Amino acid sequence: GQNIDQPTEMTATEGAIVQINCTYQTSGFNGLFWYQQHAGEAPTFLSYNVLDGLEEKGRFSSFLSRSKGYSYLLLKELQMKDSASYLCAVMDSNYQLIWGAGTKLIIKP
Amino acid sequence: DAMVIQNPRYQVTQFGKPVTLSCSQTLNHNVMYWYQQKSSQAPKLLFHYYDKDFNNEADTPDNFQSRRPNTSFCFLDIRSPGLGDAAMYLCATSRESGSINEQFFGPGTRLTVL
Repeated sequence: GQNIDQPTEMTATEGAIVQINCTYQTSGFNGLFWYQQHAGEAPTFLSYNVLDGLEEKGRFSSFLSRSKGYSYLLLKELQMKDSASYLCAVMDSNYQLIWGAGTKLIIKP
Repeated sequence: DAMVIQNPRYQVTQFGKPVTLSCSQTLNHNVMYWYQQKSSQAPKLLFHYYDKDFNNEADTPDNFQSRRPNTSFCFLDIRSPGLGDAAMYLCATSRESGSINEQFFGPGTRLTVL
């Protein structure tokens, strides 16, 4: 079966750095997406990785290791507005997105 | 601004009373998706359309139907809502199917079943 695993909840302090991990087992691989979802709102696109390595985009970076079936999202200089759920999704061989349940990130002052 | 619009944002219905949720897009994307998302769970794909070609997920209950009368609009019909159908319903679009494309989401419709 296809499976995406990420921690249910994480807590971090404003101004700090946090890493949210995602492991996956899917039928084929056409890339991995990270989305941010604030409570009661729709997911918004953050990043896409298809090759191994680190992609940096401002305060957010995303890393992929295809051989390990592993990705992480790194958030630096945390702000209160970063409190949200972060969803990992993998595009499988049929170009369908397989979604994780999301990691709820709580930022404390 | 190009966008995905969902109406209404909040919908309350009674057990067994049919309800229709609507989605429209100004992105001119070929593919439209309907997802169901319950609290703290992953979005669950119900259907998607590539242009007018309808694709039903194998485990989508018959109680859920969809229509796409044109490129811009897509509807989700729930014929006899049960308490278990209370959820956020997300509409999304992407430029093409069968290739790597980011999905753009509407704001969602939160359905309450009384």
